[in-house]
Amino acid sequence: DIQMTQSPSSLSASVGDRVTITCRASQSISSYLHWHQHKPGKAPKLLIYAASSLQGGVPSRFSGRGSGTDFTLTISSLQPEDFATYYCQQSYSTPITFGQGTKLEIK
Amino acid sequence: EVQLVESGGGLVQPGRSLRLSCAASGFTFDDYAMHWVRQAPGKGLEWVSGISWNSGNIGYADSVKGRFTISRDNAKNSLYLQMNSLKVEDTALYYCAKDTGIAAPPGDAFDIWGQGTMVTVSS
Repeated sequence: DIQMTQSPSSLSASVGDRVTITCRASQSISSYLHWHQHKPGKAPKLLIYAASSLQGGVPSRFSGRGSGTDFTLTISSLQPEDFATYYCQQSYSTPITFGQGTKLEIK
Repeated sequence: EVQLVESGGGLVQPGRSLRLSCAASGFTFDDYAMHWVRQAPGKGLEWVSGISWNSGNIGYADSVKGRFTISRDNAKNSLYLQMNSLKVEDTALYYCAKDTGIAAPPGDAFDIWGQGTMVTVSS
């Protein structure tokens, strides 16, 4: 199974900050890497697919980079609605696996 | 409106069975693969199972293989998860998710998610 490791596990930041979350795969997954945002009591939401493509309707302050084993999700200027948990997910091989999540909290 | 609505969750004793359903609307259901993903209390997301558009390709997490069965009825725009021999560790919120592709698993990204249905396994 491909292990997905996110860092950090939690992060405190302020509105307007630039934040970056890292996701590392235990083997190369090309660009089969996607990022989801999850808020309590809500359905998860796809932000970025194929490592760097912005899902329709997602604000441009979200961006993704990487290929192979190392990936990043960057939020250029945090907004109040961005405080949530973020998960990376690989679809290179079965079983599909998620990172453990990064909880983004208000400082 | 594109929507997925799960149902069928509840409280069940260990060893018993439960069948989850997911009703899809707002898109051409049989053009896409579908998945079940769960989240145990206080934990992260865990992929459970996926099925291709025509049920020709199916996959399961090792934790549920041999106990859970995924299926779909394209005529009814519905996805199902038959869960047998339930264990306490199966307690979770179960989400239905739409793939952006046709041939999962493993497939592509999950672009539409339902709100989830809660399954509690306890004596």
